[in-house]
Amino acid sequence: AQTVTQSQPEMSVQEAETVTLSCTYDTSESDYYLFWYKQPPSRQMILVIRQEAYKQQNATENRFSVNFQKAAKSFSLKISDSQLGDAAMYFCAYSYNQGGKLIFGQGTELSVKP
Amino acid sequence: DTEVTQTPKHLVMGMTNKKSLKCEQHMGHRAMYWYKQKAKKPPELMFVYSYEKLSINESVPSRFSPECPNSSLLNLHLHALQPEDSALYLCASSLQGQGFGKLFFGSGTQLSVL
Repeated sequence: AQTVTQSQPEMSVQEAETVTLSCTYDTSESDYYLFWYKQPPSRQMILVIRQEAYKQQNATENRFSVNFQKAAKSFSLKISDSQLGDAAMYFCAYSYNQGGKLIFGQGTELSVKP
Repeated sequence: DTEVTQTPKHLVMGMTNKKSLKCEQHMGHRAMYWYKQKAKKPPELMFVYSYEKLSINESVPSRFSPECPNSSLLNLHLHALQPEDSALYLCASSLQGQGFGKLFFGSGTQLSVL
């Protein structure tokens, strides 16, 4: 069965600093998708970044980038130049095909200190 | 318009009441979803509609009844709920199947069952 594990329930970062959120997953599939979703206090889930497993190049979106290690089944999110608006719950998620169900990790709550 | 609009934002109901949650999107998405989320937990998939037909029911109790009257609208009818059904109910939509992960979420309805 596919599982997603986020081992850091809470993390904290100073404004303008860099923080890395960890995610590991378990799957026997070779082709799949990985995601990071952000849920701020407004409660709206927002897709931050998406990685296709067949792509070796790590995805980046402005200040957000991932370190995708397929052999290690690791998918960490790096937030550079952290801003107060980055404070949120971050969920790592996995799906193995277009019709597949999104499988979420337990989440990491990120706080940003001014 | 890249919004998914959910109403109401908050709902308090007794166990004998009947109420409905409403979700609307005008992005031309043909897949729509209901998720249930407890505090500080990941969202749990309840239902998926694809092209206005129910394609996935994650063994949800019959006291939850989804309805998709047209491609822009998704309802969740509630009847005889239990206190443990208190949660945030999130609606989402996507252009492609959920496995591609590009879901657009609403801000949710916070439901309290007394």
